[in-house]
Amino acid sequence: GAGVSQSPSNKVTEKGKDVELRCDPISGHTALYWYRQSLGQGLEFLIYFQGNSAPDKSGLPSDRFSAERTGGSVSTLTIQRTQQEDSAVYLCASRQTGGSQPQHFGDGTRLSIL
Amino acid sequence: QKEVEQDPGPLSVPEGAIVSLNCTYSNSAFQYFMWYRQYSRKGPELLMYTYSSGNKEDGRFTAQVDKSSKYISLFIRDSQPSDSATYLCAMSAPQGGSEKLVFGKGTKLTVNP
Repeated sequence: GAGVSQSPSNKVTEKGKDVELRCDPISGHTALYWYRQSLGQGLEFLIYFQGNSAPDKSGLPSDRFSAERTGGSVSTLTIQRTQQEDSAVYLCASRQTGGSQPQHFGDGTRLSIL
Repeated sequence: QKEVEQDPGPLSVPEGAIVSLNCTYSNSAFQYFMWYRQYSRKGPELLMYTYSSGNKEDGRFTAQVDKSSKYISLFIRDSQPSDSATYLCAMSAPQGGSEKLVFGKGTKLTVNP
């Protein structure tokens, strides 16, 4: 597709359940990022992938959060044992590497924990 | 003190007005500066991207960066109702390839017809 694609667009789940969010970056973009946007905190960095490796995981808030990327393309963000404070919009961005290239965002997954 | 400060507004202006949006930052390692526009229930959309001090113009939009004062601005001329959105400033440092973005909290703009 032409842009970054994320699924599902909305997810409602019960506290304690695991959730998996998917990101399909722009074709050819080797760098991929996950961010979280919440009312109080704004937009915050979670993790960065270059190809299939994640050299920067500094934004992951706890060990309940993990992410992987396969084939240098699709990425999944997994949240285990969800808590109410995990409710937020999870945004994925991708960019080309080489030079200084801007990041392009998907429309996010709106996660609500009941 | 947060790394990036942005007045959250909200800001309400009449159609045709000139809008000025601003951010300040504290980290002198930031070298790349962006403005994103975000409509309700949508992802941020890149508006302007610059990596040097001075002005950059694109249609009705002008981005201004003053690295000596650690201050960036976005000006919107002849504002339109379709410009009603949240505007986010973002910046990054060239730190070993990550270039993760640090965002301001966003300014909500309403342009009234």
